[in-house]
Amino acid sequence: QKEVEQDPGPLSVPEGAIVSLNCTYSNSAFQYFMWYRQYSRKGPELLMYTYSSGNKEDGRFTAQVDKSSKYISLFIRDSQPSDSATYLCAMSGANNLFFGTGTRLTVIP
Amino acid sequence: EAGVAQSPRYKIIEKRQSVAFWCNPISGHATLYWYQQILGQGPKLLIQFQNNGVVDDSQLPKDRFSAERLKGVDSTLKIQPAKLEDSAVYLCASSFTPSGYNTDTQYFGPGTRLTVL
Repeated sequence: QKEVEQDPGPLSVPEGAIVSLNCTYSNSAFQYFMWYRQYSRKGPELLMYTYSSGNKEDGRFTAQVDKSSKYISLFIRDSQPSDSATYLCAMSGANNLFFGTGTRLTVIP
Repeated sequence: EAGVAQSPRYKIIEKRQSVAFWCNPISGHATLYWYQQILGQGPKLLIQFQNNGVVDDSQLPKDRFSAERLKGVDSTLKIQPAKLEDSAVYLCASSFTPSGYNTDTQYFGPGTRLTVL
């Protein structure tokens, strides 16, 4: 079983839609949860960072962590064509950072 | 603030050849990471440096991969000899403090796309 599971998509939505991206994990020691955005031919950039369970909101983006279910989510409201990218979840405990495979999102104008 | 610089951006080689990648982290960043990202997968850590010392190289295939970070600044990653399965994007990242992954943001470079024929 992989440390982190993420549906690779691809996911296509119309502009203005609410997007939900999800990851599950198996290691209960993970406490730090991140979402990275990766545009084509670019390196990942940190989008959201959450410690332990709970919600965090930043503009149109909301990150949720449910440690009891080992499930994290990223919601994008009012999606824009500029949001088209691959979204990678990542998480860590004491040491290594583990990434999901990434979900490719396309927002259609 | 300048970002993480990597070169070359693209490289095509034959199997069994050698190749080297270069990374210049953000100025003042103590920790430097090399990741391998195979198409359709998330990045996988190969090696982590804290200043010029190795913190974690447990996933580095040491029979063919080597890396160094001279003077705690720039770093090079070398593959010798290359195999077909080494085709991937090699990402360099850096972070400010040597506190590890937990609380420290990693800033990624654009990567070097390696194709092994």
